[in-house]
Amino acid sequence: DIQMTQSPSTLSASVGDRVTITCRASQSISSWLAWYQQKPGKAPKLLIYKASSLESGVPSRFSGSGSGTEFTLTISSLQPDDFATYYCQQWWTFGQGTKVEIK
Amino acid sequence: QVQLVQSGAEVKKPGASVKVSCKVSGYTLTELSMHWVRQAPGKGLEWMGGFDPEDGETIYAQKFQGRVTMTEDTSTDTAYMELSSLRSEDTAVYYCAPYDWVDNWFDPWGQGTLVTVSS
Repeated sequence: DIQMTQSPSTLSASVGDRVTITCRASQSISSWLAWYQQKPGKAPKLLIYKASSLESGVPSRFSGSGSGTEFTLTISSLQPDDFATYYCQQWWTFGQGTKVEIK
Repeated sequence: QVQLVQSGAEVKKPGASVKVSCKVSGYTLTELSMHWVRQAPGKGLEWMGGFDPEDGETIYAQKFQGRVTMTEDTSTDTAYMELSSLRSEDTAVYYCAPYDWVDNWFDPWGQGTLVTVSS
C-alpha cells in the first residue's frame, strides 16, 4: 500500500505568513493528490485536487504543486480563517495531517 | 449540488453494532460512489470503504473486512454503514463522502456522526 507522509505535523505561523506543507508518497502517484482543510468539529473540505487544481470557491491564496512523490500545499498569505488542520489524500490513503496554529 | 445529512450520535456498548445513515439530496445515490471515512478523537482520517462503480461492488479496507457492511437504499437515496463487534477503539466520528473516480477526491462530506463505544 502507498503511504503518505506529511510534514510538519504542526506549524506555528502568523497572519500574513507564507505557509508550505509537504506531502510525500512512498511511490509515484503521478498527480493524483488532493488536499483538504478541516476545522475543529467540522468535516473536511476539499481545497485542491489533481495536485494543483483549485476547487471552486477556494481562495486563490491556496495553491498546490508537485508530481510523482513530492507535493506541496502553499498558503500565500495566511488569514485568520486558515488556522486548521490540513490533510493530503491519494486514493484511499490520507496523510497524518498538519495542524496550522497561531504563533 | 450534493448535500449529505447523516444520522445522529450513537452510544453503544462493546460487542454491539451500529448503523449510520447518510441521506443524499441534490443528486441521486446512483449518480454517486459513496464512501465512508472515520476519525477517532484527535486522530487523522481513515478510509473504511465504498462503492466501486466499475465492478458494481462495495470495497472495504482490509482492517474492517468482516465487520463492516455498506448498503444503499436507492428508493430513498440513503446510504448506510453498519459496523459490528464494536470495541472502544471504534469510538470515532464517521463521515460519508462521495468519491470521484476520475479525479481522485472526496467531496462533499456529510456532517459526521459520532459513535461512542463505552461500557
